[in-house]
Amino acid sequence: GAGVSQSPSNKVTEKGKDVELRCDPISGHTALYWYRQSLGQGLEFLIYFQGNSAPDKSGLPSDRFSAERTGGSVSTLTIQRTQQEDSAVYLCASSLAAAGGGETQYFGPGTRLLVL
Amino acid sequence: EDQVTQSPEALRLQEGESSSLNCSYTVSGLRGLFWYRQDPGKGPEFLFTLYSAGEEKEKERLKATLTKKESFLHITAPKPEDSATYLCAVQSSGSRLTFGEGTQLTVNP
Repeated sequence: GAGVSQSPSNKVTEKGKDVELRCDPISGHTALYWYRQSLGQGLEFLIYFQGNSAPDKSGLPSDRFSAERTGGSVSTLTIQRTQQEDSAVYLCASSLAAAGGGETQYFGPGTRLLVL
Repeated sequence: EDQVTQSPEALRLQEGESSSLNCSYTVSGLRGLFWYRQDPGKGPEFLFTLYSAGEEKEKERLKATLTKKESFLHITAPKPEDSATYLCAVQSSGSRLTFGEGTQLTVNP
């Protein structure tokens, strides 16, 4: 079946511009997660959705970052006034359920963001 | 705060040369320990979930084991196509995964 999909696969933007990254989770998965992977660093948690609600957004690095999820499906991560340090791979994952029950998270291919 | 440390950072093997990757962790209460494989330019691909000490899982040439403080990923008779970065992650009280920085494995023919 179809896995997690993300778009765009690559994004180059200028410092100060806003960007939107999209994630389509696996059909039927109620939990959705965003992570960031910077060069030479491990994956860093950003935010988690259960349905359309975000019980944990403690990983968002600043108020320039926001995310929403609609219809319990597609999610958009928005970065306003991008900075060079925002350059990274943004990964989305989804799971059948959540609430710390040890459910497996399945990852998409990521969006590679480069801020010039 | 959950912590995950993977070693070695990089490992180079000859085809057929078995070895193990280590994942040491500190959590307040383990809900699951996850192993993923990541190829360059791709997202992490799920391999195994382990839930309690003593548990073992196998898939082809890979075998994952778990103790109360660490997990091992054993690779038996590796092939060049096993070359990738292997990531370990833990989940405790929340839903987020905390990842180690990975072990970059290269298997030479």
